[in-house]
Amino acid sequence: KNEVEQSPQNLTAQEGEFITINCSYSVGISALHWLQQHPGGGIVSLFMLSSGKKKHGRLIATINIQEKHSSLHITASHPRDSAVYICAVRSGGSQGNLIFGKGTKLSVKP
Amino acid sequence: DVKVTQSSRYLVKRTGEKVFLECVQDMDHENMFWYRQDPGLGLRLIYFSYDVKMKEKGDIPEGYSVSREKKERFSLILESASTNQTSMYLCASREQGTDGYTFGSGTRLTVV
Repeated sequence: KNEVEQSPQNLTAQEGEFITINCSYSVGISALHWLQQHPGGGIVSLFMLSSGKKKHGRLIATINIQEKHSSLHITASHPRDSAVYICAVRSGGSQGNLIFGKGTKLSVKP
Repeated sequence: DVKVTQSSRYLVKRTGEKVFLECVQDMDHENMFWYRQDPGLGLRLIYFSYDVKMKEKGDIPEGYSVSREKKERFSLILESASTNQTSMYLCASREQGTDGYTFGSGTRLTVV
């Protein structure tokens, strides 16, 4: 079983729809990251969470430490949101490295 | 704006060649990382470095080596490139004691 599971793997939405991507993990963590990767491009860090909720523009990320679960929400989705969204957790301890989910490929149609 | 710069976006190399992938960061970060990304497998850690001249194996170090002679530069070396090393390679850095990572734009390597 993977230590970081994302769902769904693929998601197609119409412009304007509210989108949710889920991430569950099975290890103790010091932080959880949501990353965005456009086709052929590098990775951009969207959020880093250790508790609660963060908002940036139309993006909202939440984390429930007790349930070991995080969600990334996109409100009023737009075709430019089309990308792969990756959840990654940093396992506990100063030497812990990132453990990545396999990513969710989002396609937003106009 | 802080940056992690990878020297090449696309590379095509022949089997058996020695290949250097370079990564430079301008944030004075102690920690640097090399990952490869493959469809269906996600990102996997090849090697990382906690400081100059220090290196640690990640999850898939076979066929790779690294060099960290200066704090800002972390090089990934394929001693004898093989076709199964065709992949997207990503570099990242992190300030010691923090959880924030900065990623580079990736190098897509094709070995023919």
